[in-house]
Amino acid sequence: SQTIHQWPATLVQPVGSPLSLECTVEGTSNPNLYWYRQAAGRGLQLLFYSVGIGQISSEVPQNLSASRPQDRQFILSSKKLLLSDSGFYLCAWNRLSNQPQHFGDGTRLSIL
Amino acid sequence: DAKTTQPTSMDCAEGRAANLPCNHSTISGNEYVYWYRQIHSQGPQYIIHGLKNNETNEMASLIITEDRKSSTLILPHATLRDTAVYYCISLPSTSYDKVIFGPGTSLSVIP
Repeated sequence: SQTIHQWPATLVQPVGSPLSLECTVEGTSNPNLYWYRQAAGRGLQLLFYSVGIGQISSEVPQNLSASRPQDRQFILSSKKLLLSDSGFYLCAWNRLSNQPQHFGDGTRLSIL
Repeated sequence: DAKTTQPTSMDCAEGRAANLPCNHSTISGNEYVYWYRQIHSQGPQYIIHGLKNNETNEMASLIITEDRKSSTLILPHATLRDTAVYYCISLPSTSYDKVIFGPGTSLSVIP
């Protein structure tokens, strides 16, 4: 069966520090991968998606970047975090774009 | 902005059916209607999806109107564990950049 892992579960970082969140999928190959952010009490905002290794599409201009160094690995990064980067970050995958997306348990990021 | 509209919150008595409405009046012909739910501090969980026909699975039923401008998610016998935020989204089969999760409906199942 397929599983998706995100870590860490929670993270507290100072303003201006770098960020690296990792997401890996097991049990499938060539998945579509997604990064979302959810502000408190709000819906999910799609940040990045990837259809293959090295292929990244960005949905909104922001302080973050994404990379896909391996088929089942998706990384969300920042060189210098801003207060506005706080939120709940979710990784998701599916095999085809019209199939349900399966989400990880998320990373709650707090910027101090 | 979300392409779907849902009530902000709803209550349902435990054991009764929960009927969650969703309006998607601008839905295109190739867009599916998906339902997810999110229990506090967890990732969203897929529930069900459909294009034109009504759908049923072990979790819920999805009723889509004939004009496809609205749908209803039905949880036939709500339990306390069904308390969550329910998201209705429309998703084209080919365009990743159209995935928008709105604020959803916060369902409270009351004992």
